[in-house]
Amino acid sequence: NAGVTQTPKFRVLKTGQSMTLLCAQDMNHEYMYWYRQDPGMGLRLIHYSVGEGTTAKGEVPDGYNVSRLKKQNFLLGLESAAPSQTSVYFCASSLAWQVDEQFFGPGTRLTVL
Amino acid sequence: SQQGEEDPQALSIQEGENATMNCSYKTSINNLQWYRQNSGRGLVHLILIRSNEREKHSGRLRVTLDTSKKSSSLLITASRAADTASYFCATDADNNNDMRFGAGTRLTVKP
Repeated sequence: NAGVTQTPKFRVLKTGQSMTLLCAQDMNHEYMYWYRQDPGMGLRLIHYSVGEGTTAKGEVPDGYNVSRLKKQNFLLGLESAAPSQTSVYFCASSLAWQVDEQFFGPGTRLTVL
Repeated sequence: SQQGEEDPQALSIQEGENATMNCSYKTSINNLQWYRQNSGRGLVHLILIRSNEREKHSGRLRVTLDTSKKSSSLLITASRAADTASYFCATDADNNNDMRFGAGTRLTVKP
């Protein structure tokens, strides 16, 4: 039981490049989330999904897109990376919405030059 | 915007001592959760307390919630070096569709 996994672990991009972060969970959770963590600001929700085929915007969605084609996978895309998107990205999943604990992946450290 | 704010930002204690961290939030909530994050790792859920609960225990952890003051505290008793980590509170505000995390308290337990 791997829990929540994320790929890649590290990535360096140039401004304007695109990339996709992959999150996978094997706990059959309905709900999945993408957060970014910046120094001194805690975690901020980017997008979330309440089930296969559905996505919604979180607190800081601009510059990101997501897709949930399969229940176990949640993809985060950056179409045109900007230095402001340098951050650590965490994926999480939960069985229930809000009232249940979230299980987090190990994170992806992204640097945009 | 952040919903929860932890206090203090950093805390350094000796092994065996108790550690207390506080979380204040702005709007009414349904529940409040505490998470731990070891350096370079993802967050790990510690405990969830609902708005109609006042206190909860889990091993060496004790969480209190005062909805009138919009605050919560996390007490770690008999701390160990392995408790060194950052601790975050997270709330689901009634008027938000997502959970909001605070900036965290960095706890260092010296052996």
